[in-house]
Amino acid sequence: SQQGEEDPQALSIQEGENATMNCSYKTSINNLQWYRQNSGRGLVHLILIRSNEREKHSGRLRVTLDTSKKSSSLLITASRAADTASYFCATDPNFGNEKLTFGTGTRLTIIP
Amino acid sequence: NAGVTQTPKFQVLKTGQSMTLQCAQDMNHNSMYWYRQDPGMGLRLIYYSASEGTTDKGEVPNGYNVSRLNKREFSLRLESAAPSQTSVYFCASSDGYRLAGGVFGPGTRLTVL
Repeated sequence: SQQGEEDPQALSIQEGENATMNCSYKTSINNLQWYRQNSGRGLVHLILIRSNEREKHSGRLRVTLDTSKKSSSLLITASRAADTASYFCATDPNFGNEKLTFGTGTRLTIIP
Repeated sequence: NAGVTQTPKFQVLKTGQSMTLQCAQDMNHNSMYWYRQDPGMGLRLIYYSASEGTTDKGEVPNGYNVSRLNKREFSLRLESAAPSQTSVYFCASSDGYRLAGGVFGPGTRLTVL
């Protein structure tokens, strides 16, 4: 079962523009993580935000978390062609022995 | 420092054949994981090993077995492959118990005819 759902499923923007992706989830979480996957490659961890944090930055990445709405957003500023990839949110549930659950991803294409 | 390595990168099997996917990490991580990725499904956890000597089922364990050979290596075995197991398989490792900031391997693309 999918805990996280990304929106939109696909996004195309011009190089230099900002890209925003959203993730919604269903249950209480310990943390939420964002990963990037380049075509034909494994996932690369980008950033982790804990349930008691509201915003986190890493370079050109900005992640927000709203636990009341069970949603998160990933903002990539000043996009580059190299940012073309699929982006996944993953939620770490706050109960039992459940494991990290990945969403279905947003496919981001940066147009040079 | 190679991170997480997986072999093979590609494999084609016939229904009923068996094979083992190999995974090794050189980061001294305690926890290792096997995921499968299917179009439109995200990644789903097959099995994980929180520490050397322990393994546990994930979301989709049926048709698979695993072995945590030592701290470095975690293998995934398909005893009798089925077309529904056609997928891309990823191994991952992390220092912590819950794949926080996990490191993923490059994947194995498996096709079962």
